[in-house]
Amino acid sequence: QSVLTQPPSVSAAPGQKVTISCSGSSSNIGNNYVSWYQQLPGTAPKLLIYENNKRPSGIPDRFSGSKSGTSATLGITGLQTGDEADYYCGTWDSSLSAGQGVFGTGTKVTVL
Amino acid sequence: EVQLVESGGGLVQPGGSLRLSCAASGFTFSSYWMHWVRQAPGKGLVWVSRINSDGSSTSYADSVKGRFTISRDNAKNTLYLQMNSLRAEDTAVYYCARDLWGYCSGGSCYFSAAFDIWGQGTMVTVSS
Repeated sequence: QSVLTQPPSVSAAPGQKVTISCSGSSSNIGNNYVSWYQQLPGTAPKLLIYENNKRPSGIPDRFSGSKSGTSATLGITGLQTGDEADYYCGTWDSSLSAGQGVFGTGTKVTVL
Repeated sequence: EVQLVESGGGLVQPGGSLRLSCAASGFTFSSYWMHWVRQAPGKGLVWVSRINSDGSSTSYADSVKGRFTISRDNAKNTLYLQMNSLRAEDTAVYYCARDLWGYCSGGSCYFSAAFDIWGQGTMVTVSS
């Protein structure tokens, strides 16, 4: 059901950097803002990035977002054990008249 | 404190109905577009539905269109999801979420589709 493709998992040692890709199409990422969410086990998702590259108040600058064409990327630098979580990209798909929200397949980040 | 609290989940038989509620507090509910998002056990996030600030515009995922209805009561600061003809594949945790911003102007609507506030979720299980 997910129309946005993410790698199932990424991993790195503490202090290192990871990037998570999110691939879509012109009807979603290509023409709409992308947001990113962190979901810790057993909790609700938390907004990390909105409008492609903006961070809500309280989100450290270790988290960054970018978009190019029909793909988006989340970067996490200075990896910490507390960053172990599932990460999802999200956007709007304008291919239908009223549009529909879409999320990525999700990526599990493991801190080695 | 800005907060969303869902309720109304539970066990229901296939073909049955359930109404979820999402009580908002700590912000001007009537100014925000709202969404429902669900997550089946061990699976990813799936967007379900959205409603604009005054309730005049809605949209639905194809998988629930014609079966689910989103609505809101701004006087009660509450969002609803009426779920009919429930199927086993509707089993999930249902979250309500606030859209960061949204507005309609000149016949067109614009919103961020970024969900900045989430409830804790309510579990819906469809099983006989």
